[in-house]
Amino acid sequence: DTEVTQTPKHLVMGMTNKKSLKCEQHMGHRAMYWYKQKAKKPPELMFVYSYEKLSINESVPSRFSPECPNSSLLNLHLHALQPEDSALYLCASSQDGFEAFFGQGTRLTVV
Amino acid sequence: SQQGEEDPQALSIQEGENATMNCSYKTSINNLQWYRQNSGRGLVHLILIRSNEREKHSGRLRVTLDTSKKSSSLLITASRAADTASYFCATDAPNTGGFKTIFGAGTRLFVKA
Repeated sequence: DTEVTQTPKHLVMGMTNKKSLKCEQHMGHRAMYWYKQKAKKPPELMFVYSYEKLSINESVPSRFSPECPNSSLLNLHLHALQPEDSALYLCASSQDGFEAFFGQGTRLTVV
Repeated sequence: SQQGEEDPQALSIQEGENATMNCSYKTSINNLQWYRQNSGRGLVHLILIRSNEREKHSGRLRVTLDTSKKSSSLLITASRAADTASYFCATDAPNTGGFKTIFGAGTRLFVKA
């Protein structure tokens, strides 16, 4: 199984809502990532969990908070988002820090 | 900040032609990777080249790396309509042990049938 599964595929939320994005992999990878991608732009790294240690891109606002319940799951909790947070959110995993496997993404729209 | 910059930003070619995309980066790297992304979907890893390698092949793909110029190129030979996608180079951010991959701006390739 070389798949990274993200749910939901699409999400529309209001600025006062709380929602969560989910990501799962069963490849035994020790690193999982959240990326944000705006249209016609490259993915921007938001968070990395590697060997159960969290690394944060310090430009990411606190309305995004990651959670790693176990080595196969990675969640991204969303709270009080802004319209400019609308984007494609990509989850990825890797074993050695290279050759990342990506999920198909969650298309998020904040209204 | 982006580690890699790519050119051209967009490329349109006929099926059967070769497509060449270039990537430049700013700091020393351990390796460089290329990914493909079909419209609005996840990225797919294509190839990794290590800093001590100069050229690598995988099927119709050829990647070169020039660490003295801090640049890499991706050549797709005998392109097909199915190669239409965005292509990104990616490097490991400095001093991060390889767990922080930074993507370049990407080249959007359109292959006309």
